[in-house]
Amino acid sequence: QVQLQESGPGLVKPSETLSLTCTVSGGSITASFWTWIRQPAGKTPEWLGRVYSSGTIEHNPSLKSRVTMSVDMSKNQFSLNLKSVTAADTAVYYCAKDLFARSGAYWGQGILVTVSS
Amino acid sequence: DIQMTQSPSSLSASLGDRVTITCQASQDISNYLNWYQQKPGKAPKLLIYGASNLETGVPSRFRGSGSGTDFTFTISSLQPEDIATYYCQQYHNLPHTFGQGTKLEIK
Repeated sequence: QVQLQESGPGLVKPSETLSLTCTVSGGSITASFWTWIRQPAGKTPEWLGRVYSSGTIEHNPSLKSRVTMSVDMSKNQFSLNLKSVTAADTAVYYCAKDLFARSGAYWGQGILVTVSS
Repeated sequence: DIQMTQSPSSLSASLGDRVTITCQASQDISNYLNWYQQKPGKAPKLLIYGASNLETGVPSRFRGSGSGTDFTFTISSLQPEDIATYYCQQYHNLPHTFGQGTKLEIK
């Protein structure tokens, strides 16, 4: 059974870069998409983007060029970097396997990231 | 982006009631639709994929139907543990998008 766990700082200063890592256990990170989603308090989830195990990235255009993602197959991890953050980026960030059909069954527990000085 | 319009935004029902939530896509998404249940402080849990397929381990009182632009999610007999917020989500196009959610409460 695939399990995912987010890690990273819970507090980021405005204008800095938010960096999160997702560790995948119970299965290999190869040959699959891996996704980041965020959810501000009381709001609907927002798909941020996904990275294929080869490193190909598809991101939400709403984030413009602020988001990058990567995969570390040696550690069975994938990562999110969101630069130039503002208070509007405060949210619970989730990693997931993918949101395509049954792959939507695999989510991490989420990590609250607050953007504040 | 494909807009997903869910209704109602909140719903109050009695235990044992039949509950129905609708989701409308801004364009044809065939059956590329998931339904999730989210409880406070938890990640969304997949209930239905492909518009009408029940995820493994999900009780049979949950049902999804529809195709194209109009979809329905039904709980046949509301149980106390069903109190949560429910979201539809399309995966026909990128970016994958969610409905605004339906908060279900006990009357």
